[in-house]
Amino acid sequence: EVQLVESGGVVVQPGGSLRLSCAASGFKFDEFTMHWVRQPPGKGLEWVSLISWGSDYRHYGDSVKGRFTISRDNKKNSLELQMNSLTTEDTGLYYCVRGDGYILTDWGQGTLVTVSS
Amino acid sequence: DIQMTQSPSSLSASVGDTVTITCRASQGISNFLAWFQQKPGKAPKSLIYAASSLQSGVPSKFSGSASRIDFTLTISNLQPEDSATYYCQQYDSYPITFGQGTRLEIK
Repeated sequence: EVQLVESGGVVVQPGGSLRLSCAASGFKFDEFTMHWVRQPPGKGLEWVSLISWGSDYRHYGDSVKGRFTISRDNKKNSLELQMNSLTTEDTGLYYCVRGDGYILTDWGQGTLVTVSS
Repeated sequence: DIQMTQSPSSLSASVGDTVTITCRASQGISNFLAWFQQKPGKAPKSLIYAASSLQSGVPSKFSGSASRIDFTLTISNLQPEDSATYYCQQYDSYPITFGQGTRLEIK
């Protein structure tokens, strides 16, 4: 069974930094593209970033480009998202998602990031 | 960026009904379109990819179709557990974008 468990979500001040993690299990992690998708409270879904299985390519949404960095450690079956220069617009539930290439297939339960002074 | 516009934004239907949700892309995306279901307080669930292919384990009451830039999700024989918000998403080009969601209420 595919399991994706996010962690690292906390309350942080505007301008601060945060690092999210996702622990993956139940599948061969190093064979799959991984994504982050976020959802502001009470709002819709926004794609954040993806990283290929071998970290060869990474892509970002317009609103996070230059501030967020996605990475993975295939030996530890983990996915991470380094978030810098946070604003209140970054508040939301962050989902770790397994991809079949660009197709989103399996979702974690999310970790809540709150940017507030 | 490709804009995905869903309609309606919300709808109400009865048990046993069939409903259709539409998603229009701002430009051609071939069939690189997926649908997701999200119940309150839960993570989204993947339903359909490539416009009309069901994800593993998804019941056949869900179906998708495509016509140029217009895509539809049809849910037949509605049951109370189908009450959720449904999202479309294009993965033809970056950035990947979602529709704004359609809230389905079962009367």
